[in-house]
Amino acid sequence: GQQLNQSPQSMFIQEGEDVSMNCTSSSIFNTWLWYKQDPGEGPVLLIALYKAGELTSNGRLTAQFGITRKDSFLNISASIPSDVGIYFCAGSASGGYQKVTFGTGTKLQVIP
Amino acid sequence: DAGVTQSPTHLIKTRGQQVTLRCSPKSGHDTVSWYQQALGQGPQFIFQYYEEEERQRGNFPDRFSGHQFPNYSSELNVNALLLGDSALYLCASSLVSSRETQYFGPGTRLLVL
Repeated sequence: GQQLNQSPQSMFIQEGEDVSMNCTSSSIFNTWLWYKQDPGEGPVLLIALYKAGELTSNGRLTAQFGITRKDSFLNISASIPSDVGIYFCAGSASGGYQKVTFGTGTKLQVIP
Repeated sequence: DAGVTQSPTHLIKTRGQQVTLRCSPKSGHDTVSWYQQALGQGPQFIFQYYEEEERQRGNFPDRFSGHQFPNYSSELNVNALLLGDSALYLCASSLVSSRETQYFGPGTRLLVL
């Protein structure tokens, strides 16, 4: 099945550092979503974006809906150990009964 | 406010058997979607139910079927299990007004031997 491309695939960072990751699609999306998944659990919704160019924050997390509508970015500021996990982007083409397509994931590890 | 719940948490089956997984949506949600997540991969969309009907389907064979009940809960059925069906099966619920903003349950881990 189709998946969005996320980069980087994995990253090790020092506690306190900022993190950036992105997600690209060959198709235009009208909604971008960012999720975090811990081992053995379901994904948890972090941020939802509904408009091209939109910049939305949730605490230390900031996400942007790319103006081309084919990409999105997630930034985490001042990382802490509990930020460890896998971050997934997800996109949806339009309203109605459109399916949500997930990215390949970015595995984040934070070194205390 | 209860979140999305799924049962069972783990399941072991053998090839050729059939399995039923269950999901209760978040309170107030009316739309349920099912995903399959293989190890190391992102979730893959199976199908979405609203008003007790399948409204959208991903690239999965007919062995995968589902049902939604009047109380919005849902079941995922998989027939003639294959080894490749081993995965984490995730249920997500949403509101009809914002179907893309989905909240996930903890998943059911299925192992097919």
